[in-house]
Amino acid sequence: AQRVTQPEKLLSVFKGAPVELKCNYSYSGSPELFWYVQYSRQRLQLLLRHISRESIKGFTADLNKGETSFHLKKPFAQEEDSAMYYCALWGMGGSQGNLIFGKGTKLSVKP
Amino acid sequence: KAGVTQTPRYLIKTRGQQVTLSCSPISGHRSVSWYQQTPGQGLQFLFEYFSETQRNKGNFPGRFSGRQFSNSRSEMNVSTLELGDSALYLCASSFITGYNEQFFGPGTRLTVL
Repeated sequence: AQRVTQPEKLLSVFKGAPVELKCNYSYSGSPELFWYVQYSRQRLQLLLRHISRESIKGFTADLNKGETSFHLKKPFAQEEDSAMYYCALWGMGGSQGNLIFGKGTKLSVKP
Repeated sequence: KAGVTQTPRYLIKTRGQQVTLSCSPISGHRSVSWYQQTPGQGLQFLFEYFSETQRNKGNFPGRFSGRQFSNSRSEMNVSTLELGDSALYLCASSFITGYNEQFFGPGTRLTVL
């Protein structure tokens, strides 16, 4: 089965502290994984994708195939990072793919 | 470039009614996907349209249907509404079908009473 699990519904950290949002996936084959973010009153937007191996807003995510994980990390959290974060997998359904989302983790960064 | 737009933004219906939601993709994007977002189930894929054809479908009953027009605009229809259909319906567009960089609209909040 193709599945994305985000074990934490809520993660609360203080400003300046490191943050790690966990994501585990179930997929046979080479997965394509993404992190989407939704700030308050804004639309869902792509934060980063594992293929590009880039750092966006200080966030990075490394694909670990052995642990089937794609955790999102940032060394020093900022208050503006407070948002809902969704891990997503590009899964194959029928003849085309579609995004399979985890249930999301709400990150709260306290001053 | 204007983003994905969805109309209406809010909708209240009663059980048994039907509803039509509309999505206009980013200019030049030809693929439109629909997702349902609820507190319990999270974001779930409904279907995808490309070149006026449904290319992929999620695990939803036949009451959920859609279509796409020649200008790539898409509509989603839900017939015989149930209380459980109350959700945020998100539309996402991408350049072509099977391309996984998707851009989301603000959503339509449907409430079924």
